[in-house]
Amino acid sequence: NAGVTQTPKFQVLKTGQSMTLQCAQDMNHNSMYWYRQDPGMGLRLIYYSASEGTTDKGEVPNGYNVSRLNKREFSLRLESAAPSQTSVYFCASSEHRTSTFRDTQYFGPGTRLTVL
Amino acid sequence: DAKTTQPTSMDCAEGRAANLPCNHSTISGNEYVYWYRQIHSQGPQYIIHGLKNNETNEMASLIITEDRKSSTLILPHATLRDTAVYYCIVRVAGTASKLTFGTGTRLQVTL
Repeated sequence: NAGVTQTPKFQVLKTGQSMTLQCAQDMNHNSMYWYRQDPGMGLRLIYYSASEGTTDKGEVPNGYNVSRLNKREFSLRLESAAPSQTSVYFCASSEHRTSTFRDTQYFGPGTRLTVL
Repeated sequence: DAKTTQPTSMDCAEGRAANLPCNHSTISGNEYVYWYRQIHSQGPQYIIHGLKNNETNEMASLIITEDRKSSTLILPHATLRDTAVYYCIVRVAGTASKLTFGTGTRLQVTL
């Protein structure tokens, strides 16, 4: 049981390049999330997917797109990377059982992205 | 989600209890108090959460005041591995919405 896994762990891009960050969870969770964390700051939500087939914008969605490929996988794409997107990206998942209020989010180890 | 206030930093000697306070005076009746921590460069880790009763698990205890305007996370026997930033978050559970991470409390456990 690996929990939440993310690939790659590190990535360096040049301005204008594109890439996709991958996230997968093996806990049969319904909801998945993408956050970014800039140095010395808290996490900010980029996009989330409450359930398979749905996605919604978070606080800072500009410059990103997401795909909920299936229940396990939720990818984040940068179409044209900018230096302002240099950050650590965390994926998370939660069971999202509204009837029992068990909505704890479990996080992956992060992807450290540098855009030159 | 209600706003929370935490001290910027705290120190604790190894083996002693670490008591981390959090104020959330505008908390609503359906909002839970969650605690997460982030050990350097790692993803945040869930610790505990509660609504109004005190809660305990294998990691920590959560004490919520009767008026629910503040809470305390207790690590009963802090170790060096508990050195981390601790975040107190108030939110409505079961909404698949974001966790709002503030600046948290940086706990330094020392020998």
